[in-house]
Amino acid sequence: AQSVAQPEDQVNVAEGNPLTVKCTYSVSGNPYLFWYVQYPNRGLQFLLKYITGDNLVKGSYGFEAEFNKSQTSFHLKKPSALVSDSALYFCAVRDGESNYQLIWGAGTKLIIKP
Amino acid sequence: ETGVTQTPRHLVMGMTNKKSLKCEQHLGHNAMYWYKQSAKKPLELMFVYSLEERVENNSVPSRFSPECPNSSHLFLHLHTLQPEDSALYLCASSQDPGAGESYEQYFGPGTRLTVT
Repeated sequence: AQSVAQPEDQVNVAEGNPLTVKCTYSVSGNPYLFWYVQYPNRGLQFLLKYITGDNLVKGSYGFEAEFNKSQTSFHLKKPSALVSDSALYFCAVRDGESNYQLIWGAGTKLIIKP
Repeated sequence: ETGVTQTPRHLVMGMTNKKSLKCEQHLGHNAMYWYKQSAKKPLELMFVYSLEERVENNSVPSRFSPECPNSSHLFLHLHTLQPEDSALYLCASSQDPGAGESYEQYFGPGTRLTVT
């Protein structure tokens, strides 16, 4: 069965430290992977995607993600966290059997403490 | 207005009411989506329209009825809802994916629906 797992409900990081939000996936065919962020009372905002090519993908607000095919992972990273990065982060992978359906993780709440 | 807009932002309705949610995208996209977001659950795709044709319908109860009059507008008509339908309803748009391609979706701010 196709799925996305975000193993941590919440991640706490001190401001200025590096952060990682984990995502693993299971999908048929080539994985098309996405990260989105949701701030309180807002819709989701696209951060970055992996379709093909370089395994390290750079996105908005200084975020990057590393695609690891052997580990079926697509972890989100940032070298130095800001308090304003505190939000809910969602990983998604395109359903291998649909052009339109994304399979979503349940989300990880990221809290950056000053 | 830029991006994807949704109205109303908040809606409280009784189980016997009829209401509609509206979504408008200003991005020139040709695919539009309705999602349901409940706390601590993955987003649930409800409907997808591409070039004004419905292309996905994920076993959504008939009390939810979508309408896409043109590529910029999407509606979700609601009637005789249940309390468990209370959630954040998100609209999104993208370029039509097509075979072998995948475009990011752009989301509106959502409508917070409460069914009493």
